[in-house]
Amino acid sequence: GAVVSQHPSWVICKSGTSVKIECRSLDFQATTMFWYRQFPKQSLMLMATSNEGSKATYEQGVEKDKFLINHASLTLSTLTVTSAHPEDSSFYICSAQNLGLTNYGYTFGSGTRLTVV
Amino acid sequence: SQQGEEDPQALSIQEGENATMNCSYKTSINNLQWYRQNSGRGLVHLILIRSNEREKHSGRLRVTLDTSKKSSSLLITASRAADTASYFCATAGNYQLIWGAGTKLIIKP
Repeated sequence: GAVVSQHPSWVICKSGTSVKIECRSLDFQATTMFWYRQFPKQSLMLMATSNEGSKATYEQGVEKDKFLINHASLTLSTLTVTSAHPEDSSFYICSAQNLGLTNYGYTFGSGTRLTVV
Repeated sequence: SQQGEEDPQALSIQEGENATMNCSYKTSINNLQWYRQNSGRGLVHLILIRSNEREKHSGRLRVTLDTSKKSSSLLITASRAADTASYFCATAGNYQLIWGAGTKLIIKP
């Protein structure tokens, strides 16, 4: 079945450094990928929608310069948290829309737990 | 993005009992999906019900959809300890998934 590989699964970084999270669709082409963030005990919040070859569309309140999204190919999207601070600590999940599925299903990565110390 | 509402926020039942979770939404949808998330892990897709369907089964799961009331329910029958997780509904419009706040389900042995 459709698989989205998200890497790393967890990362601890120092405040002020940048962290890159990768999301790859392994057996399908993902023209659209979504990046979500989840705070503890809360629901997922959509951060941005990325389309291959174009600029990402960010949700209101999400800083574009802080959360850089690149979707350079049909199988890879990256989220870079720049100059990370402790308040950026969260669980980040990507998902890819698989138009090859009859239900236009969404396949999720396994998530990345980011801890900024 | 807009969020749906789920109730209850938390549910604790004995193993073997049935668990029912509800989800309400606000916009028109193409389909509604239920996901499970174990603590600290990624989401696992459970079941998708299209807007023209009223009920769907998958193993011990039964999902209903009432588009007139803009609501859905997820029933887990004969619950097991391994069902302990958070459950989210998500509605699919044209493009994005709009998420509910989730129900935390605890199955007591």
